[in-house]
Amino acid sequence: DSGVTQTPKHLITATGQRVTLRCSPRSGDLSVYWYQQSLDQGLQFLIQYYNGEERAKGNILERFSAQQFPDLHSELNLSSLELGDSALYFCASSVGPLGETQYFGPGTRLLVL
Amino acid sequence: KNEVEQSPQNLTAQEGEFITINCSYSVGISALHWLQQHPGGGIVSLFMLSSGKKKHGRLIATINIQEKHSSLHITASHPRDSAVYICAVTPNTGTASKLTFGTGTRLQVTL
Repeated sequence: DSGVTQTPKHLITATGQRVTLRCSPRSGDLSVYWYQQSLDQGLQFLIQYYNGEERAKGNILERFSAQQFPDLHSELNLSSLELGDSALYFCASSVGPLGETQYFGPGTRLLVL
Repeated sequence: KNEVEQSPQNLTAQEGEFITINCSYSVGISALHWLQQHPGGGIVSLFMLSSGKKKHGRLIATINIQEKHSSLHITASHPRDSAVYICAVTPNTGTASKLTFGTGTRLQVTL
């Protein structure tokens, strides 16, 4: 158990819908990262937050947004969902903003029908 | 060409064999990570390296910064080592820890 929690574990929804994925980092970790793992693209970095502020952005679509709250939990919002958004979404956390070991949550499996 | 390349893509070994997985990268990095992903999907961080060699149990990771190359070795392999092993790098941007991933090596260890 990494100490990182993600909810929900599974999510099935329809095209055009909006969903919110939630992540709670390990106690004491200030950085939260979101990753997408799809069959054709592999693992891709989406976005990083550090202590409530956006720190780095990767291949995150404009339909996707994220935030980190004062209690350090984070939410990833996916809107206008398309079939191709079906993937595993991982959250990870680390103590600081740079180069530390990242601890991964169990992931949320999203299926868009 | 991907910034992070792994080889082999697939690997089958018999229990007890010594296994090596290779990772090459093309960018300047501040750290290299080896991750393990089990069939259920969960990802575990095995090592984070910026130089030299690290050992944890039967796992050894090495990195050669000049050659931009890292290896993950598993000694006395066991069926429970069956997983996908992923190499990832933190590019040397200096401001954040965005990981860039290799495509993974699928390892199957048989009895």
